[in-house]
Amino acid sequence: AQTVTQSQPEMSVQEAETVTLSCTYDTSESDYYLFWYKQPPSRQMILVIRQEAYKQQNATENRFSVNFQKAAKSFSLKISDSQLGDAAMYFCAYRSAYNTDKLIFGTGTRLQVFP
Amino acid sequence: DARVTQTPRHKVTEMGQEVTMRCQPILGHNTVFWYRQTMMQGLELLAYFRNRAPLDDSGMPKDRFSAEMPDATLATLKIQPSEPRDSAVYFCASGLHTGELFFGEGSRLTVL
Repeated sequence: AQTVTQSQPEMSVQEAETVTLSCTYDTSESDYYLFWYKQPPSRQMILVIRQEAYKQQNATENRFSVNFQKAAKSFSLKISDSQLGDAAMYFCAYRSAYNTDKLIFGTGTRLQVFP
Repeated sequence: DARVTQTPRHKVTEMGQEVTMRCQPILGHNTVFWYRQTMMQGLELLAYFRNRAPLDDSGMPKDRFSAEMPDATLATLKIQPSEPRDSAVYFCASGLHTGELFFGEGSRLTVL
């Protein structure tokens, strides 16, 4: 069975600085998707970024980028120029591209942003 | 703007009562998921459907929970009878067979 591990329960960063959130996963599959979701205090789950496993190029969305290391099964999220609005819980998630396409979440990392 | 719609947003009920949560997935999406979020357990998958057929409900307590998709525009999650330990935020999400899921705003359930 696939698992997703986020080893940092909490992280903090100063406004305008850069922070990296870690995520590792375990799978025997070769084709899958990886995601980072953001959950602010409003509790809405918001997709931040996605990565297809077959793509070697790291995904980027404005200030958010990932470092996808397929062999190491690592998928970290880098937030550049952090803003107060980035404060939230961040969840890493895995989804198989095959028949059992459940979305499996890590336990989350709470990010605090200080002015 | 297409979105997943969940009702109710908040529900307070007494132990033993029946609770029904509803979800309208995004039109055209063929997979629908129900998740439960608590501080202790995080995000737990309760059930999911593809093309309205239930694929996996192994995460759901069978004796009191049931999930259905009577049609493509409606998914329901029912708890009968409810217990205080069911207090949580319940999320519905929809998506295509591959790719990201889009989440509703969640239903916060409190069972007294």
